[in-house]
Amino acid sequence: AQSVAQPEDQVNVAEGNPLTVKCTYSVSGNPYLFWYVQYPNRGLQFLLKYITGDNLVKGSYGFEAEFNKSQTSFHLKKPSALVSDSALYFCAVRDIGSGAGSYQLTFGKGTKLSVIP
Amino acid sequence: KAGVTQTPRYLIKTRGQQVTLSCSPISGHRSVSWYQQTPGQGLQFLFEYFSETQRNKGNFPGRFSGRQFSNSRSEMNVSTLELGDSALYLCASSDRLAGGSSTDTQYFGPGTRLTVL
Repeated sequence: AQSVAQPEDQVNVAEGNPLTVKCTYSVSGNPYLFWYVQYPNRGLQFLLKYITGDNLVKGSYGFEAEFNKSQTSFHLKKPSALVSDSALYFCAVRDIGSGAGSYQLTFGKGTKLSVIP
Repeated sequence: KAGVTQTPRYLIKTRGQQVTLSCSPISGHRSVSWYQQTPGQGLQFLFEYFSETQRNKGNFPGRFSGRQFSNSRSEMNVSTLELGDSALYLCASSDRLAGGSSTDTQYFGPGTRLTVL
């Protein structure tokens, strides 16, 4: 079974400071990892994904994430936070070891990011 | 391209009724997945359809069902509604290939907010 943990329910950061939203995962095979963002009363918006290759993945709106296989982590980062980054962030995993037929995404509980002006 | 669309956006039903939600994927996408989002359980996978066939199903009772049409549009149905079915129902589409490439990104619609009274 696959699982995702986002250890922080809420992260507060001052505008202009770097931000990190943490994510750890557990899969039986190799993971495909995703970050999504959700604004109030909206669906999930894709930010970035890790499939294979370079451990540092760059995504939309200046976000990036670092895949660390030994620590089974995929933390989301941004060098300089904006007030408009305030939202709910979800990490998700798909276990490719479950076969091509397994298209299910397993999500973490989400982390609320608040960027303080 | 237009994004994933879901109708209706808001729905209020009473216990015991049934409801049908609709999802139109991004043009050219043949895979549609459904997720339920609640404050208590977070995001949970319901099922995935590809080429009019259900490919994967989450751990939900049989009251939850779905189908996909030849134009890739999908509907999900919940019968005998319970208070606990109140949730945001999200639909996601991807350009998954017939071979089941798991690298495909899922793009989400805005969701249907279902309230059961």
